[in-house]
This record gives sequence, C-alpha cells and structure tokens, in this order.
Amino acid sequence: DGGITQSPKYLFRKEGQNVTLSCEQNLNHDAMYWYRQDPGQGLRLIYYSQIVNDFQKGDIAEGYSVSREKKESFPLTVTSAQKNPTAFYLCASSIENRNTEAFFGQGTRLTVV
Amino acid sequence: GENVEQHPSTLSVQEGDSAVIKCTYSDSASNYFPWYKQELGKRPQLIIDIRSNVGEKKDQRIAVTLNKTAKHFSLHITETQPEDSAVYFCAASPLMIKAAGNKLTFGGGTRVLVKP
Repeated sequence: DGGITQSPKYLFRKEGQNVTLSCEQNLNHDAMYWYRQDPGQGLRLIYYSQIVNDFQKGDIAEGYSVSREKKESFPLTVTSAQKNPTAFYLCASSIENRNTEAFFGQGTRLTVV
Repeated sequence: GENVEQHPSTLSVQEGDSAVIKCTYSDSASNYFPWYKQELGKRPQLIIDIRSNVGEKKDQRIAVTLNKTAKHFSLHITETQPEDSAVYFCAASPLMIKAAGNKLTFGGGTRVLVKP
C-alpha cells in the first residue's frame, strides 16, 4: 500500500513520556521527511533527511528527534520537551535532489493523555 | 524561509460547477509547485504539479496556472464531482540546492465540499 508505512496508526502517550513513531519505505528513496498536521495549519516540516546518517531540522524541530541509520527507516521521537504533541504526524519520502513527488505514509495520530 | 498562503480555507460548490483555489508564495527562488489531495482519513496524494518554466498545465478536469511575477499559482477543478470532496494542499519548493533537498512548504489547506 504505497511503499511507505507508518506505525502505529493511533498512539496514546502520557505526559512526560517520550514516544517513537515508525516510518519505513521500500521505494529506494534517499530523502525522507516528517510533517506535523494540525487543523487549519497545513503540513509543517519537523525534520528531513537526504541521506543515511544525515538529517536537518525543519521549521518546527523543537521537542523532536530523529535518526537515519538505514535508508529504509526514519523514526521520529516525540520527547517530553514538546509542549503540544497531540497531532497527526505524516512521514514522506522522495527521490533526493529532484523536485519530484513526495509519497506519504498513512500517518500516526498521537494523543497525549 | 518560504511562506505559502492558501485561500479559501473552505469551499462549497454545486456538483458540475468549477472550483478554484489560490496560493501565494514569498520566496522567488521557488520553482516547483505541487498540489496534493487528502481524502478523509487518508494520506495526501499528488494530483498535479507545475514547474516555473511552465505557465499552465492541465490533466483532464484539473488545471494549474502559475504567475511567477506575482508569485501566485492556482488550482482549477472543472465539472466537479462528489468524489472531488477532500482537503487540497498547495506547496512550493525552492531551486534544487544540494543541501535543501525536496523541501516542500505547504499552504494551510482548502476543504472542498461538492454538493450533489
């Protein structure tokens, strides 16, 4: 289903806990991205990675961390430092160094309880 | 950095009528402008894109126009159908600089409702 998989689909977290969202792709794409989607605010870029072992902060990186140890995987950790973590998180991938289509995962809805 | 404004935030049209969504961007270096459609509960999917060397592009009932001088681009959907109901996002991406990647900046989205 699309070649890029996010898990879990729904995630509940207690305040003060870190949580990691999974993103895996089998499209052989070099570039991967994490976006946060809030109502009325579109998609905002959290982090992106163009190549293994390298990643860059996006527009709203505070309170988040990522790793890119494998080409296929780009997990996102939402830390306790993120003030308002409840949101819909979307992972995407694309061919690096080209203006081409970004393929999105199904998303993870994170709720802090 | 880039800033993309999208209007309107909601759009209700009668089936068969046309729908137009407009976006403006701030960075004159942007040269790639995709449009994504997100149906309820599903992932965003690319429906059409345009690059700065082209002023207009059509794909069946969908068209996109670009005015680089004024820094705005628009999505036009003709003969709307109920299955066109969704949230539509515009985006802009700068010239491909090695360090920048395919860094898309999205507009706030337009919720389109096509009434039968």
